[in-house]
Amino acid sequence: DQQVKQNSPSLSVQEGRISILNCDYTNSMFDYFLWYKKYPAEGPTFLISISSIKDKNEDGRFTVFLNKSAKHLSLHIVPSQPGDSAVYFCAASTYSNFGNEKLTFGTGTRLTIIP
Amino acid sequence: DAGVIQSPRHEVTEMGQEVTLRCKLISGHNSLFWYRQTMMRGLELLIYFNNNVPIDDSGMPEDRFSAKMPNASFSTLKIQPSEPRDSAVYFCASSLRVGQGGEQFFGPGTRLTVL
Repeated sequence: DQQVKQNSPSLSVQEGRISILNCDYTNSMFDYFLWYKKYPAEGPTFLISISSIKDKNEDGRFTVFLNKSAKHLSLHIVPSQPGDSAVYFCAASTYSNFGNEKLTFGTGTRLTIIP
Repeated sequence: DAGVIQSPRHEVTEMGQEVTLRCKLISGHNSLFWYRQTMMRGLELLIYFNNNVPIDDSGMPEDRFSAKMPNASFSTLKIQPSEPRDSAVYFCASSLRVGQGGEQFFGPGTRLTVL
């Protein structure tokens, strides 16, 4: 049972345009959400996060939007650059006695930026 | 400063053999996570430790899998006996848990192929 879903396995975007990656979740107990980026032959690296008390978080070219009622979050990259070509993983967690350590990941979306 | 170190980077073995994957945490980190990445299921958390104590092993697929932290900086994931369906990329990640949680830093992964 996939609690975090990334329904688009791949996405191609022209350089300079906006990239929008989507993620849906089913567990209403999730209260912290993250995006990780992964290049080939490397481990994922943290990109940006958002707490459920917010609906938007911005960091430079990257903005994450959270719609709790729809159980949906999205990552916007503006403007898209060739170096953004990677696999992007959405992840979620629920606060527990051990904080928000336990992450549930989606299956990833491969983003390709076309020069 | 060295990141998370995993060895071997690639492992090819035959069904029934024992496989041991190794991970060295970032110095000073106190949480250790083992993940498995497959196309179908994305990144799955297998087990995680905090201060050398296993906190959640609910993701470990079956008794053939075991993980240990013999000291604060090192962990092993063992599969015995291995099966072809265990073929995947295995990542370990470490974090310094402060309060709610800390960013997880991933190693480069071990690509396991069981023939």
